[in-house]
Amino acid sequence: GESVGLHLPTLSVQEGDNSIINCAYSNSASDYFIWYKQESGKGPQFIIDIRSNMDKRQGQRVTVLLNKTVKHLSLQIAATQPGDSAVYFCAENVNYGGSQGNLIFGKGTKLSVKP
Amino acid sequence: DGGITQSPKYLFRKEGQNVTLSCEQNLNHDAMYWYRQDPGQGLRLIYYSQIVNDFQKGDIAEGYSVSREKKESFPLTVTSAQKNPTAFYLCASSIDLYRASGANVLTFGAGSRLTVL
Repeated sequence: GESVGLHLPTLSVQEGDNSIINCAYSNSASDYFIWYKQESGKGPQFIIDIRSNMDKRQGQRVTVLLNKTVKHLSLQIAATQPGDSAVYFCAENVNYGGSQGNLIFGKGTKLSVKP
Repeated sequence: DGGITQSPKYLFRKEGQNVTLSCEQNLNHDAMYWYRQDPGQGLRLIYYSQIVNDFQKGDIAEGYSVSREKKESFPLTVTSAQKNPTAFYLCASSIDLYRASGANVLTFGAGSRLTVL
């Protein structure tokens, strides 16, 4: 996984600041969205999800915002910590209840946290 | 601990050789998946399986083969027909194939990095 972050957009933030990672999704029929975190050398881990009937969902230190009008998804991380350094990517599922074989993954953003 | 184990973590292959990547899960999940990850690209689905002895091609199945003889195992063979096999391969599983939701999200293994010499 070390090379996963190559050629990706990079967001560099200071420890303690808030981070906002953006994702433009492709299909207006998508109705379920997921954010994953992938640390170097590891597989992706589920962070948070949101359905299309919501525009905001909060978790522990993370918030996902969904703007269906412009097909945009964002992940906000509060009080960013060094352990948050990773590649973050979104995934969309067309038709809630549809096959997970239809998940479409974004390319990802590399978050770098400066101490 | 329940999870997905992929092996080997690193693998080198000469051109013209077939290699098999192992994926084992002890989560009692019905559905399993193989993805390919290249730098700067999103995950691309190679194959997926809903149940034992059944599997379906994903978006980039050419040059790959799989088997699902046991519920917990879903090995991927990268054949010599795959023209550009150097990549990071991720195995995943979920409770079932359908109803993507917070209770049924994909759980990923740590990945296997294949390099063709």
